[in-house]
Amino acid sequence: QKEVEQDPGPLSVPEGAIVSLNCTYSNSAFQYFMWYRQYSRKGPELLMYTYSSGNKEDGRFTAQVDKSSKYISLFIRDSQPSDSATYLCAMGQAGTALIFGKGTTLSVSS
Amino acid sequence: GAVVSQHPSWVICKSGTSVKIECRSLDFQATTMFWYRQFPKQSLMLMATSNEGSKATYEQGVEKDKFLINHASLTLSTLTVTSAHPEDSSFYICSASKAGRDQPQHFGDGTRLSIL
Repeated sequence: QKEVEQDPGPLSVPEGAIVSLNCTYSNSAFQYFMWYRQYSRKGPELLMYTYSSGNKEDGRFTAQVDKSSKYISLFIRDSQPSDSATYLCAMGQAGTALIFGKGTTLSVSS
Repeated sequence: GAVVSQHPSWVICKSGTSVKIECRSLDFQATTMFWYRQFPKQSLMLMATSNEGSKATYEQGVEKDKFLINHASLTLSTLTVTSAHPEDSSFYICSASKAGRDQPQHFGDGTRLSIL
């Protein structure tokens, strides 16, 4: 079993839809969880950062971490065409390199 | 903020050339920097972890003599691809994290390397 699993998509939604992106993981020692957004030919941009379990909201974005299920989610409300990108989940422990999911490609059509 | 600058953004060179890529943290001190490689439509593959003032730690399968990493200061790390060949063509991305526990990584915009 891979350490981090993420459905690569592609995921296509109409403008205004609620988008749900997910990752599962196997290492119960992971303590912090991140979501990055990557546009084509650009480096990843940090969207959300969560330490341990719980929810975090920032504007249209909500990140959820369920450590008991080893499952994390990113919700995007009122999706916009500018949200079209690849979304990478990442997680790790203090002092170690992050483990990345393969990324989910999202396309929001106007 | 936490801005990471990577230079150059795109380089094309002949086979056998050595290429140096710079990664700078512009507004913070980065005790740790990471170098990744990304193939089209693939996720990031960690190549090495670089700590200021010490030797880099390379991931399994990454040739340390091929990919030379120097973390000379708290704001600068360099990756040199020595005697590059077409199979080294890829997207190379660095990231940096601030000192302290549980700090997230911030990424540069990557360097597209094309070896002819």
